[in-house]
Amino acid sequence: GESVGLHLPTLSVQEGDNSIINCAYSNSASDYFIWYKQESGKGPQFIIDIRSNMDKRQGQRVTVLLNKTVKHLSLQIAATQPGDSAVYFCAENSGNFNKFYFGSGTKLNVKP
Amino acid sequence: NAGVTQTPKFQVLKTGQSMTLQCAQDMNHEYMSWYRQDPGMGLRLIHYSVGAGITDQGEVPNGYNVSRSTTEDFPLRLLSAAPSQTSVYFCASSSSPGGRNIQYFGAGTRLSVL
Repeated sequence: GESVGLHLPTLSVQEGDNSIINCAYSNSASDYFIWYKQESGKGPQFIIDIRSNMDKRQGQRVTVLLNKTVKHLSLQIAATQPGDSAVYFCAENSGNFNKFYFGSGTKLNVKP
Repeated sequence: NAGVTQTPKFQVLKTGQSMTLQCAQDMNHEYMSWYRQDPGMGLRLIHYSVGAGITDQGEVPNGYNVSRSTTEDFPLRLLSAAPSQTSVYFCASSSSPGGRNIQYFGAGTRLSVL
């Protein structure tokens, strides 16, 4: 199956700073990507998605960047808050809408 | 605002026992999926359904059965539990508008097989 992985398993940032979480994928046919946030004891929650025909997509305080040349995407969180502390997953899809492949996750710790 | 409801939240089984994990959604979503999440790993797809009466295998289907008799419900059955099935199980649903498959997840079922 496809391989989706994250560069950093744990990221610690100071409250108010910007956070960048990275994700690499191996399937060049992947055309749809989603970032999820998972708080302790809860199911994953959708944050933002991006299609392969885009390089950048912005949401509220979050931006996803996609670099298809090196098969890499990143999630940027502006002005990180304590409520952003969670595990973040990227997931990719290559045509079959229900076959998503998830990375192992990055834990974000926000220090007050 | 129920969304996706999973029951039970916790379960302990002995090796060889069978059980059914329940999943129900009230959003009239056609797509439903089951994932398992092991420590330090991402979610892995077990089975999925694109509508009532239609199911298909995911990445790790062995040891699990599913059926989809209604749009709302998508139960996952463990026929003979094994310690390797100790995991957290998540059910998800989506409507895939315009090809964007935003999945809504339940809170999970934590299963231990002794």
